Order: sequence, then structure tokens, then C-alpha cells
Amino acid sequence: NAGVMQNPRHLVRRRGQEARLRCSPMKGHSHVYWYRQLPEEGLKFMVYLQKENIIDESGMPKERFSAEFPKEGPSILRIQQVVRGDSAAYFCASSPDSTGGFEKLFFGSGTQLSVL
Amino acid sequence: AQSVSQHNHHVILSEAASLELGCNYSYGGTVNLFWYVQYPGQHLQLLLKYFSGDPLVKGIKGFEAEFIKSKFSFNLRKPSVQWSDTAEYFCAVTSMNTGFQKLVFGTGTRLLVSP
Repeated sequence: NAGVMQNPRHLVRRRGQEARLRCSPMKGHSHVYWYRQLPEEGLKFMVYLQKENIIDESGMPKERFSAEFPKEGPSILRIQQVVRGDSAAYFCASSPDSTGGFEKLFFGSGTQLSVL
Repeated sequence: AQSVSQHNHHVILSEAASLELGCNYSYGGTVNLFWYVQYPGQHLQLLLKYFSGDPLVKGIKGFEAEFIKSKFSFNLRKPSVQWSDTAEYFCAVTSMNTGFQKLVFGTGTRLLVSP
């Protein structure tokens, strides 16, 4: 059973371009979480999605950021018109349910976004 | 605002030394507590967790943590570290405030164990 797969591992964009980060959850997992880790900071919650639904996006910046988790395919975190401050490691995690125990929460290896 | 504090950002130890990493949280109600580890180039892995019961929790690889409710703390310990313990360690909390659906992480502690 493959783990949570994130791609690309490294993404370089110039200011103003779009960044698309992909997350394929573990097989059987229908819940996806996105976290962002800025340099010298801890992981910050961004958004929690279930298939085709955004459950909690309280950590998402109001502009330029969006997330989706379609019925088929990976979850996508999309950042439009990137700025240097978006440079960070973006982690995805998945779980099979939302019991809150997080015992079955598994993280991907992250995507390192660098904005030039 | 809800927060988790890890006071030691960088820790350097020699092999066989004892380890204690501090973690404090700011919630007043029921919490679930976690320690995660991230080895170089790898994904976050769960080391141990506390939900209820015995406040001394044992995890993988010889790690343990003690929940002290009166001090809002959940410090991570290991009696004798190994070089392979070199990694970044994150304390995290969920609480009733967020329906236990959101992990709030500390800033992490980078541990370097010299052989």
C-alpha cells in the first residue's frame, strides 16, 4: 500500500506564475489535509477536504489560494500569482475517517515551493 | 489564540545522552497530544500520542512523553539517544475547540546527535 504521494517534490516558480501541488492520498483514504511550513516555523493548517467537499478552509489565505479534492484523482492545492512569501514546504496528509484520533493520519513527503 | 510552544529550536547531544524536549500548549479544555518526527528527507511520522488514561505514554524507538495537565505540558524524553535519532521533532495538539479535527503544531526542535 503506497503512502501519501505528493508531487512534485520540488517546484520552482517565478513571481506571478501559478503553482499546482498534487496529493494522492493513501488507498481507502477519503480525507485530506494540507499544511504549510514556512522557514523556521511549525506546520500551519491550511485546509481539510473530503471527496468533493471543503470541510474547513480556515487556514487558507483569502486570495490566490484554492484547494480541491475531486471524486476522481488527486487533491490539488493551487496558488495563483505566486509571491516570494509563498516559498515554503507544503505537506499533505490523509486519513480514512474524521474521528479526530489521527491515529490513521499519514503524511506525504511534502512539496518544496521556491518562488524566484 | 490556540498555540503550541516548543522552546528548544536546536538541540545537540552526544550519543547515549538523555533527551528531553519541551512542549507546552495553551488550551484549557480536553486535548489530544502528539509527537511527530521527521527524519532528513522523509515524511512526518507519529512517535506517540496521548488521548486519556496513564499520563506517561510510551512510543516507538524508546521514546516516551509525560502529560502534566497542571503545567499544560507534554515533554518528550528518551533515556539514551542514538545517532539515528537525528531528526526534527514536532509537538502537536488537537482540542475540542476545533472539534478535534485540526492538528496545531509547534515550531519544531531540530535534534543533532553526534556519534
